[in-house]
Amino acid sequence: QLQLQESGPGLVKPSETLSLTCTVSGGSISSYYWTWIRQTPGTGLEWIGYITYSGSTSYNPSLESRVTLFVDMSRRQVSLKMRPVAAADTAVYYCARGRGASAYYFDYWGQGILVTVSS
Amino acid sequence: EIVLTQSPATLSVSPGKGATLSCRASQNIGSNLAWYQQKPGQAPRLLIHGASTRATGIPARFSGSGSETEFTLTISSLQSEDFAVYYCQEYSKWPPWTFGQGTKVEVE
Repeated sequence: QLQLQESGPGLVKPSETLSLTCTVSGGSISSYYWTWIRQTPGTGLEWIGYITYSGSTSYNPSLESRVTLFVDMSRRQVSLKMRPVAAADTAVYYCARGRGASAYYFDYWGQGILVTVSS
Repeated sequence: EIVLTQSPATLSVSPGKGATLSCRASQNIGSNLAWYQQKPGQAPRLLIHGASTRATGIPARFSGSGSETEFTLTISSLQSEDFAVYYCQEYSKWPPWTFGQGTKVEVE
């Protein structure tokens, strides 16, 4: 059974860098679109971007200038970096597996990690 | 960016009764729509993709229909574990792919 587990600091200071890692276990990391999605009470679910096993990426234009995704096949990890962060980036961040033909829905999700941006 | 509008915001239903949730897209997305269920403190769970295809392990009481701009999720007989928030998500041609704001199904 595929499992995704997010990890990283739960508290980040404004203007600093948010760094999260998603570790994939129990299934292939190839041929899918490893995606980050965040959720806030105010804005709901927001697609951040995806990365493939080969390193191809796509980002939400609203976040593209601040976000970078990385993949480490040997560690079976996908990572997210966002900077600089502000209070509005406080959210639960999910890692998910995207699948589909040329656009993607999300069939497996991590449990999510709450990140608070505060000094 | 495609906007998805879900209605109603909250639906009060008695256990054993049926529920119909709506999702409207701001432009034609064909059948590129998914539905998710989310319970408090949990991640969303995929229920339906391709507007009407149930995901693996999803009970037959969940069904999806619609195309282009109008979509429906129907729960035929609500069980206690079905009271949750439901989201639709479009995955049409180009990202960013978007989610609706959710419909909360609560016990009447």
